[in-house]
Amino acid sequence: EVQLVQPRAEVKKPGESLKISCKASGYSFSTYYIAWVRQMPGKGLEWMGIISPGDSDTRYSPSFQGQVTMSADESSSTAYLQWSSLKASDTAIYFCARNLAVAGTPSYYFDYWGQGTLVTVSS
Amino acid sequence: QSVLTQPPSVSGAPGQRVTISCTGSSSNIGAGYAVHWYQHLPGTAPKVLIYGNNNRPSGVPDRFSGSKSGTSASLAITGLQAEDEADYYCQSYDSSLSGSLFGGGTKLTVL
Repeated sequence: EVQLVQPRAEVKKPGESLKISCKASGYSFSTYYIAWVRQMPGKGLEWMGIISPGDSDTRYSPSFQGQVTMSADESSSTAYLQWSSLKASDTAIYFCARNLAVAGTPSYYFDYWGQGTLVTVSS
Repeated sequence: QSVLTQPPSVSGAPGQRVTISCTGSSSNIGAGYAVHWYQHLPGTAPKVLIYGNNNRPSGVPDRFSGSKSGTSASLAITGLQAEDEADYYCQSYDSSLSGSLFGGGTKLTVL
């Protein structure tokens, strides 16, 4: 059974750093890209970017380029999303999701999702 | 700016049929990229309902169907049930972004 397990919540102060995880199981971790998706309070889903655990190929949405860093560790089948200096506006739920490509196109969709990590940034 | 536009809300009575539209542009839906649909209940993980414009994953009832034409796509739900009350999102690839794009989401209310 494919599973993506994320911590439920993190609470931090502005200016602090944070690295959240997404532990995969039930499939070959290096074979599929992992996406990160943000949902701010009361808002919709936003695609942040994707990472290939096999070769660390990473693509960021222009909105998130330079704001976050995605990484992955094949040995532990875990993907990470990190911030070096959090802002209050980073308060949101962050989902990881497995990418499944649409054959013959650059398009893909998200077939398995983590439960999301609620990141709260408050002084 | 690359966007996928959905109505903020739709509603219907139990048993009725509702549709949710998703309007894009020549850099995403209009370029021929596939559209996918997700159901999201607050506090849970989003779930894929339709992939590749009109394909249902195993376990998704055939009450849900998708279609695409030109720069738009639609999700249709027939035989509306109370448990269908949720937020629905379309998603596609955008060549200007070289990445993925979600619609703004539509809240479905079952009256």
